[in-house]
Amino acid sequence: DQQVKQNSPSLSVQEGRISILNCDYTNSMFDYFLWYKKYPAEGPTFLISISSIKDKNEDGRFTVFLNKSAKHLSLHIVPSQPGDSAVYFCAASVRGSGNTGKLIFGQGTTLQVKP
Amino acid sequence: DAGVIQSPRHEVTEMGQEVTLRCKPISGHNSLFWYRQTMMRGLELLIYFNNNVPIDDSGMPEDRFSAKMPNASFSTLKIQPSEPRDSAVYFCASSTTSSSGSQHFGDGTRLSIL
Repeated sequence: DQQVKQNSPSLSVQEGRISILNCDYTNSMFDYFLWYKKYPAEGPTFLISISSIKDKNEDGRFTVFLNKSAKHLSLHIVPSQPGDSAVYFCAASVRGSGNTGKLIFGQGTTLQVKP
Repeated sequence: DAGVIQSPRHEVTEMGQEVTLRCKPISGHNSLFWYRQTMMRGLELLIYFNNNVPIDDSGMPEDRFSAKMPNASFSTLKIQPSEPRDSAVYFCASSTTSSSGSQHFGDGTRLSIL
């Protein structure tokens, strides 16, 4: 049972335009969400995160939006650059008082930004 | 500033052989995670440790897999005996139990079992 789903395996956008990557989750206990970026032959790299008490978090060209009622989050990259071409993973955790940090990952979306 | 270090980067061995993957977490990080990435199942958590103690090993596929963390700076993931279906990329990650909680990943070990 996939608790975190990225339904689009790939996305292609033109340089300078907006990239929107989507993620859905089923577990209402998740209270922290993260996005990771992964280049070939490297490990995933943390990009941006959001707590469930917020609906938006912005860091430079990257913004994550959270819609708790829809159990949906999205990552916006604007403007997109060719160097953004990578696999993007959505991840979620139940932090709570235990704060174990266990992450559940989505399947990933491959983003290609064309020059 | 050294990141998470995994060795070897690549491992090719025949089925039935013992495989040992190694990980050195970032100094000061008290949580360590082992993941496996395959085309079919994506990135899945195998086991994680807090302060060198295994907390959740529910992701370990079967008894052929074992993981240890003898001290804060070293962990191993062992497969014995190995099977072709174990072929995957294995990642180690570490983190602190902070409010951000983001995990830092190593570059992985690409394992091929022939």
